[in-house]
Amino acid sequence: QVQLQESGPGLVKPSETLSLTCTVSGGSITNYYWSWIRQSPGKGLEWIGYISYSGTTKYHPSLESRVTISIDMSKNQFSLKLSSVTAADTAVYYCAREIGPNDSFDYWGQGTQVTVSS
Amino acid sequence: DFVMTQSPDSLAVSLGERATINCRSSQSVLYSSNNKNYLAWYQQKPGQPPKLLFSWASARESGVPDRFSGSGSGTDFTLTISSLQAEDVAVYYCQQYYSPPRTFGQGTKVEIK
Repeated sequence: QVQLQESGPGLVKPSETLSLTCTVSGGSITNYYWSWIRQSPGKGLEWIGYISYSGTTKYHPSLESRVTISIDMSKNQFSLKLSSVTAADTAVYYCAREIGPNDSFDYWGQGTQVTVSS
Repeated sequence: DFVMTQSPDSLAVSLGERATINCRSSQSVLYSSNNKNYLAWYQQKPGQPPKLLFSWASARESGVPDRFSGSGSGTDFTLTISSLQAEDVAVYYCQQYYSPPRTFGQGTKVEIK
């Protein structure tokens, strides 16, 4: 059974960079697409972007200037960096799997709360 | 961006009764070359991540009870729970994956009347 687990700081200061890692277990990271999605009371579920096993990335246009998603095949992990954060970036962050570049999210991590505050 | 609009925002249904949730996309999510609707439905319970119920608008995921059904095509879709059970209390979301950015509906909260 594939499992995804997010990890990273739960508190980030304004203007700093939010960094999260998703560890995939129970299956290989190859041959799939891996997304970050966040959820906040004000904005609902918001897709941030994806990375493929080959390193192809696609980001939400509204976040593209601040987002980097990377992948580490040797560790079965992928990561999110979101720079210049503000309170509006406070949310529960999820990692999720897609079978292909145009597919639903079939596996999700449990989510991690990230609060942006000084 | 594709805007996904769900209705209603919430509904209360008696146990054993039918619950119907609608989802409308601002653009068609039907890909003509393969006649597939790039539309998914998710269920989210408190403190849990969303769980995939249906992909391709009507393809039920393994383990999803058959009281759940998905239908529709193009821009208009429906999730139906034919006989509401207590464990179905949750928020339900539709999502398009026709084109990035992926977008979700605002969610529909289903409660017991």
